[in-house]
Amino acid sequence: EPEVTQTPSHQVTQMGQEVILRCVPISNHLYFYWYRQILGQKVEFLVSFYNNEISEKSEIFDDQFSVERPDGSNFTLKIRSTKLEDSAMYFCASNSYSNQPQHFGDGTRLSIL
Amino acid sequence: KNEVEQSPQNLTAQEGEFITINCSYSVGISALHWLQQHPGGGIVSLFMLSSGKKKHGRLIATINIQEKHSSLHITASHPRDSAVYICAVPNFGNEKLTFGTGTRLTIIP
Repeated sequence: EPEVTQTPSHQVTQMGQEVILRCVPISNHLYFYWYRQILGQKVEFLVSFYNNEISEKSEIFDDQFSVERPDGSNFTLKIRSTKLEDSAMYFCASNSYSNQPQHFGDGTRLSIL
Repeated sequence: KNEVEQSPQNLTAQEGEFITINCSYSVGISALHWLQQHPGGGIVSLFMLSSGKKKHGRLIATINIQEKHSSLHITASHPRDSAVYICAVPNFGNEKLTFGTGTRLTIIP
């Protein structure tokens, strides 16, 4: 069965550094999402992306965050200048239509030192 | 904004027991999602339902739209069912998901 894949599985970065989290959504999917889960807390929506543009973003998704679909397969989340509070598990998800179940990747655990 | 509440937060049961996890939400929705989060952190979609009941193997999900309530049941529970079960609802009119806090289920052999 097709899967959403995320790389790396674990990223350790110094505070203030830029980080790029990568996702390969399922190939025929059109809607893409990033979520994050701070340790011990619930999963939170960050951003949704459709037709090469952001369709919705949360208050968390400030100017330090950006998303891109640089080619036909990858979907990336960039954090420009990381803070300690960016430490979390980041999940990518995709679906074929917005009213269909979302398929999640296994997540990237981001640790900011 | 939709508020999503789950109960219980933690549940420990013996293998074979019938399990029920509850989810309630505050604003009318188009569909509700049940997700499973493995100990390693990965998330798997179990069900998406907008009315009535769905069954997949030993898992059953029900929803009552009028009461804004859904339940996830596991029959003949097994240690491999141990995970965090999360309900999530879309904001009305779009598919941004709002998540509950999850129910940590532990099944003891």
